[in-house]
Amino acid sequence: NAGVTQTPKFQVLKTGQSMTLQCAQDMNHNSMYWYRQDPGMGLRLIYYSASEGTTDKGEVPNGYNVSRLNKREFSLRLESAAPSQTSVYFCASGGDHINNEQFFGPGTRLTVL
Amino acid sequence: ELKVEQNPLFLSMQEGKNYTIYCNYSTTSDRLYWYRQDPGKSLESLFVLLSNGAVKQEGRLMASLDTKARLSTLHITAAVHDLSATYFCAVNTGGFKTIFGAGTRLFVKA
Repeated sequence: NAGVTQTPKFQVLKTGQSMTLQCAQDMNHNSMYWYRQDPGMGLRLIYYSASEGTTDKGEVPNGYNVSRLNKREFSLRLESAAPSQTSVYFCASGGDHINNEQFFGPGTRLTVL
Repeated sequence: ELKVEQNPLFLSMQEGKNYTIYCNYSTTSDRLYWYRQDPGKSLESLFVLLSNGAVKQEGRLMASLDTKARLSTLHITAAVHDLSATYFCAVNTGGFKTIFGAGTRLFVKA
């Protein structure tokens, strides 16, 4: 089992460019999440998907969109990248609303110039 | 709005010593999680605490939850260098939104 996989691992964008971060899980989890991690700020939830076909905003959704493509895949799109979006992005999948233990992918390090 | 605070944010300790990391949160919850992150790596789940008074232990680490005090502790016993990492607590108040603390960066000196 690969667990949670993310692509790409690294990306450099120019301001205004767009890109999609991909995430897939093979643990048959219903819920999936996108976080960003900035120094000294822990992880902040961008969007989540409680189940296939649903998505909801987290703490910091502005500037991002998501797609829950199927049960396995959850993508994060930056339509017009800004330097403030320079961060490490983690995808996670987890359990249900009672036990929300999450399992994280390796992360994508994104730099916006 | 749920707030999660950890302290200390940075901890340097000698091998063999004991210490406790604290996680306070602002609204009622009985679901708390501890994660570990090594430098440059992803997060891995350490403990899941789902009720008041829950206590979990793994090796030199023990986590507990007091929902009335809105407090979880992560106790380190006889620290070793391999425990050097950043430790996060995360709280869920219902549904699927989980809020993370800022993390405690632990460095264990030989």
